[in-house]
Order: sequence, then C-alpha cells, then structure tokens
Amino acid sequence: EDQVTQSPEALRLQEGESSSLNCSYTVSGLRGLFWYRQDPGKGPEFLFTLYSAGEEKEKERLKATLTKKESFLHITAPKPEDSATYLCAVLWGGSEKLVFGKGTKLTVNP
Amino acid sequence: EAGVTQFPSHSVIEKGQTVTLRCDPISGHDNLYWYRRVMGKEIKFLLHFVKESKQDESGMPNNRFLAERTGGTYSTLKVQPAELEDSGVYFCASSQTENSPLHFGNGTRLTVT
Repeated sequence: EDQVTQSPEALRLQEGESSSLNCSYTVSGLRGLFWYRQDPGKGPEFLFTLYSAGEEKEKERLKATLTKKESFLHITAPKPEDSATYLCAVLWGGSEKLVFGKGTKLTVNP
Repeated sequence: EAGVTQFPSHSVIEKGQTVTLRCDPISGHDNLYWYRRVMGKEIKFLLHFVKESKQDESGMPNNRFLAERTGGTYSTLKVQPAELEDSGVYFCASSQTENSPLHFGNGTRLTVT
C-alpha cells in the first residue's frame, strides 16, 4: 500500500484557471509534509513545509494546506511558468527519510 | 551560496561494469542523503549521512551499492557490478539540520545497458 498518494497524475490548465492538487497520506505520527517543485532535468526544489492540521503556507500563486489525512496545493491564476511536476513527501515517526508520492505533472497553457 | 552539485549528470554503462557517482553538498550541511527514482516510480530513500557517519542505510537495495562520505564533505555512491534494474536518476540532497528542508542536486541519470 502506498503511503503517499498524489492526484491527479497529470493536470492541464489554461492560464488563469485555478485548481488544486491533492496529496493523501496514510502514515501515523506525521512530523512534516513537504511540497517540492521539479522541472525537467532538475532536482526537486523546496516549496513548503507543513507540520500540523490546519496549517497553511503561501508563496506567490501557491497555497498549501494540511488536514489529518491530506494536503492540498492550491494554484491561483496559474501562469505557463508554473508548469512542472509537483511532489509531496512526508516525514513520520522516528525516521529521517522522506517518503515521496509519485507527483502531479502540471501543464499550464498560455 | 552554491547548491548541491552532482557529477556526472549522465552515465551510460554496460551490465557488470562499475560506476561511481559523486555529490558535493552545500558547504556547512552536515546531513547528506541519497535518493533514487526509477522509471515510473516515486523517489525513494537510499541512505543518510551525518557528517562522515552513516545514520540510516536501510534503503540501500543490496551490497552492490557502497556509499562513503570522506571527512564529512563530499560523498560517493559506487555501484559494482551494475545491473539493468539499477537504471534511474540518483539524487543527492543536503540539509543543515535533520529538521531543515532538503536541498537537492540535479541528479545523475544512470543507464545500464
């Protein structure tokens, strides 16, 4: 069973069309949920860390929220430069290893 | 501030050969991690160094993989002998503390033919 599941796998939006990406997790003892952005041929780039249910973080057109079972990455009025794969990862229990989802590939058309 | 640097960016080797990947973390980052993404799968943890010590190597697939971190600076990941299933992108990441976000390098794309 996957511990971190991201949906949808791929999402196509028109420029300015807001939407949300989902990351659900089944681990217990969550210590942190991380969102990363990955461009082709590059490594993941850190966006946000969320630590507890109800927490929200914002950066430009992105807003991340966290509940006890899932996180959402809301994209408001996206631009073509927001096109990338968005990765969710969790840190849980006593481990220092991030557990990643498979990612959502976002394409924003002009 | 220079980011995490990985070398080479690409490597194509034949089954049975040896390959060594190198990672230079951000200066001053004691924590260094190796992760791997094989095609169609999620990024998965391989191991974690704190300075020169291995804290957790539970993600290493088998004893064909050997990671070292000389003097707590750069790290190498050697695969010997390489198998077809070792193909993928190997990422290195570093952080200042264990609770800090990870900074990733751009990865080494390894292809075993």
